[in-house]
Amino acid sequence: DAMVIQNPRYQVTQFGKPVTLSCSQTLNHNVMYWYQQKSSQAPKLLFHYYDKDFNNEADTPDNFQSRRPNTSFCFLDIRSPGLGDAAMYLCATSRDLDIHPRNFGAGTRLSVL
Amino acid sequence: GQQLNQSPQSMFIQEGEDVSMNCTSSSIFNTWLWYKQDPGEGPVLLIALYKAGELTSNGRLTAQFGITRKDSFLNISASIPSDVGIYFCAGQNSGGSNYKLTFGKGTLLTVNP
Repeated sequence: DAMVIQNPRYQVTQFGKPVTLSCSQTLNHNVMYWYQQKSSQAPKLLFHYYDKDFNNEADTPDNFQSRRPNTSFCFLDIRSPGLGDAAMYLCATSRDLDIHPRNFGAGTRLSVL
Repeated sequence: GQQLNQSPQSMFIQEGEDVSMNCTSSSIFNTWLWYKQDPGEGPVLLIALYKAGELTSNGRLTAQFGITRKDSFLNISASIPSDVGIYFCAGQNSGGSNYKLTFGKGTLLTVNP
């Protein structure tokens, strides 16, 4: 059974139209991560939550925001998607910060028209 | 920051052949990880290595944590068509704020039946 679930699997949005991607986990892990992965590249960490504490990577654009209303759910909000934001977005979890992300979701493929 | 050099970038092999790929780093890591990513899916953790010199197997996969802590290799024996995918190495240092993964750029493996 999937332990990190991302919805939707495919999302199409228009240039500048806000979009929200969701992730849920059944593992009760403390840490949830959001990665951006562009074609033929490695995943790039955008930010993570340790419990309710939000940690943004220095090079993550302000256009990307995140919410974690409870342990199980985490959302990625893209306020004004640009063509360059088209990518696969991956959610991952780990029990603690010094434990590597072990469980990735299947990802959401975002297209921007 | 830390960088990982993963090679080869791609490999085309015949079913039944053995495969070897490696990662080298400009600095040391405490943990080395190997992930496999199928097309359109999230990465799946294959092997985690926690100690310099450690050699760990997972079925037909074997990975080693280099003695210098700056490199790791992954071997796949007797390849089969379902081994196709992108293999990523990743390094992690635990402790302090330097917890996040550094990914290699991936090795694309194609297996011809």
